Amino acid sequence: NAGVTQTPKFRVLKTGQSMTLLCAQDMNHEYMYWYRQDPGMGLRLIHYSVGEGTTAKGEVPDGYNVSRLKKQNFLLGLESAAPSQTSVYFCASTHPSRLATDTQYFGPGTRLTVL
Amino acid sequence: AQTVTQSQPEMSVQEAETVTLSCTYDTSESDYYLFWYKQPPSRQMILVIRQEAYKQQNATENRFSVNFQKAAKSFSLKISDSQLGDAAMYFCAYNAGAQKLVFGQGTRLTINP
Repeated sequence: NAGVTQTPKFRVLKTGQSMTLLCAQDMNHEYMYWYRQDPGMGLRLIHYSVGEGTTAKGEVPDGYNVSRLKKQNFLLGLESAAPSQTSVYFCASTHPSRLATDTQYFGPGTRLTVL
Repeated sequence: AQTVTQSQPEMSVQEAETVTLSCTYDTSESDYYLFWYKQPPSRQMILVIRQEAYKQQNATENRFSVNFQKAAKSFSLKISDSQLGDAAMYFCAYNAGAQKLVFGQGTRLTINP
């Protein structure tokens, strides 16, 4: 049971390049999330998904796209990377619950640098 | 929109002593959940403790406890008998529906031996 894994762990991009971050979970969770963490700030929600085939915008969605084609995977795409997207990206997953009693399980993070 | 504020960017405490980290939040909801997460240098986000807003009793997990003041919208974390392994960034978080978390800015906790 690996929990939540993220690929890659580190990446350096040039401005304008594209890339996809992969999040995978083996806990059969319905809900998945992508957050970014910038220095001096907490995590901010980019996009999330409440089930296979569904996605929704979070607090800071601009410049990102996501897809949830399989229940266990949640992909985060950057079509044209910008220096402002330099950050650490975290994926998380959890079970649905009426009052959110369940813990969000986080991946180890991906450090992305855009030059 | 819900917001979470941690007013202490940094805190330090002597090993074996007690420290309290502050958190305030803003919401118009009556049912919600609050969390404290720990982030060590490894960057892994680790759940420390959670509190259900409808429960009056403060949550406790071993050396970690909270002081939840619903009317004041305050949710502080107390760490007793501080240990070197407690050194980390601590984030307060609020559940904003669909289990989306809204995080505070974090407090960096240093433990002095």
